[in-house]
Amino acid sequence: QVQLVESGGGVVQPGRSLRLSCAASGFTFSSYGMHWVRQAPGKGLEWVAVIWYDGSNKYYADYVKGRLTISRDNFENTLYLQMNSLRAEDTAVYYCARDSRYGDYVRGFPDYWGQGTLVTVSS
Amino acid sequence: EIVLTQSPGTLSLSPGERATLSCRASQSVSSSYLAWYQQKPGQAPRLLIYGASSRATGIPDRFSGSGSGTDFTLSISRLEPEDFAVYYCQQYGSSPYTFGQGTKLEIK
Repeated sequence: QVQLVESGGGVVQPGRSLRLSCAASGFTFSSYGMHWVRQAPGKGLEWVAVIWYDGSNKYYADYVKGRLTISRDNFENTLYLQMNSLRAEDTAVYYCARDSRYGDYVRGFPDYWGQGTLVTVSS
Repeated sequence: EIVLTQSPGTLSLSPGERATLSCRASQSVSSSYLAWYQQKPGQAPRLLIYGASSRATGIPDRFSGSGSGTDFTLSISRLEPEDFAVYYCQQYGSSPYTFGQGTKLEIK
């Protein structure tokens, strides 16, 4: 079965960096686009970024451009989110999620989600 | 960026009743590329509907979606106790892919 397990969250000071990981199993990771979606405590879902199955294309929400970078390692079946210059408003549970389309482009909506990892930005 | 506005913010109903949730887009969503998700406390979201009206695998037929352009609806025909949760719409017609702010469906 599809499994997505996020890790790397924790408490970090404003202005510092953090890298999140998402270990994928139960499907052909290299054939699917992948998303990061976040949820601030008590708030709604906020789409962060998507990466194509082969890493050739990446799209981001306007508010994260330049600070957050999505990447993947298809040999290790792992998705990453590099987070730099962190701000208090980046405090959230970060979910990795599989795009619903198999193959050469993303459809744009996730069909499987991990359980999330909490990032808290605080001094 | 397409802004999605969901209404109502909270919907209070009883089991067995019908629920109607609305999602309105700030501009037309191309090809009805709209999805609905259910989220329960402490859990990840679960895909219910995509393409405005297609049910995802394993979703009961009491859930249905409709709409096009800028106005979309999620209907739950006969509420079961497990349906009380928060529901989000998401448009994927153009990047950035955006979510609505959610509708909380609570037991009356």
